[in-house]
Amino acid sequence: RKEVEQDPGPFNVPEGATVAFNCTYSNSASQSFFWYRQDCRKEPKLLMSVYSSGNEDGRFTAQLNRASQYISLLIRDSKLSDSATYLCVVPRGGSQGNLIFGKGTKLSVKP
Amino acid sequence: DARVTQTPRDKVTEMGQEVTMRCQPILGHNTVFWYRQTMMQGLELLAYFRNRAPLDDSGMPKDRFSAEMPDATLATLKIQPSEPRDSAVYFCASGLDSYGYTFGSGTRLTVV
Repeated sequence: RKEVEQDPGPFNVPEGATVAFNCTYSNSASQSFFWYRQDCRKEPKLLMSVYSSGNEDGRFTAQLNRASQYISLLIRDSKLSDSATYLCVVPRGGSQGNLIFGKGTKLSVKP
Repeated sequence: DARVTQTPRDKVTEMGQEVTMRCQPILGHNTVFWYRQTMMQGLELLAYFRNRAPLDDSGMPKDRFSAEMPDATLATLKIQPSEPRDSAVYFCASGLDSYGYTFGSGTRLTVV
């Protein structure tokens, strides 16, 4: 298994849809995880942190399944402005400092 | 809002030339990363520092790349000599311990 693996997409969904992305990781010692969002030709920006079983922030929910070593990101009532690439991030070797990024899942929300 | 500042924004250079990229981390952040992003490889970690000490530069080609933090307000990434395969966007990011990191807007490097 790769250190961090994501479905590259693209996911093309209509406005208002619910969409979910999964990310698998190989290091069972990892304790904290992150989702970043990256717009075209921009820098990645922190979207959510996941330290225990999950985290919710408005329309966004991140869940962690340690047994199966995956994290998911759920977006409800998707907006046009949600169109971006979503990057899953896992610390390497359990270390908090060294972050490994997945290659991202591209989301396109259509009117 | 506090920002990570990177310069230059864009750089076009000829093969064989030296390239220096600079990063000013957010004041108070003790961890600084250098990442490279390409379409094929995604974001790759090149090096990172904690409290100015290099912790991991295993992702960096040592023969041509070097990363330093001469002081807490400046991190540099140097490529000498540059090659066309170094063309990419180079991001600097800073953070405080493990609580997520803030990225700069990147340096888009083109080596011709």
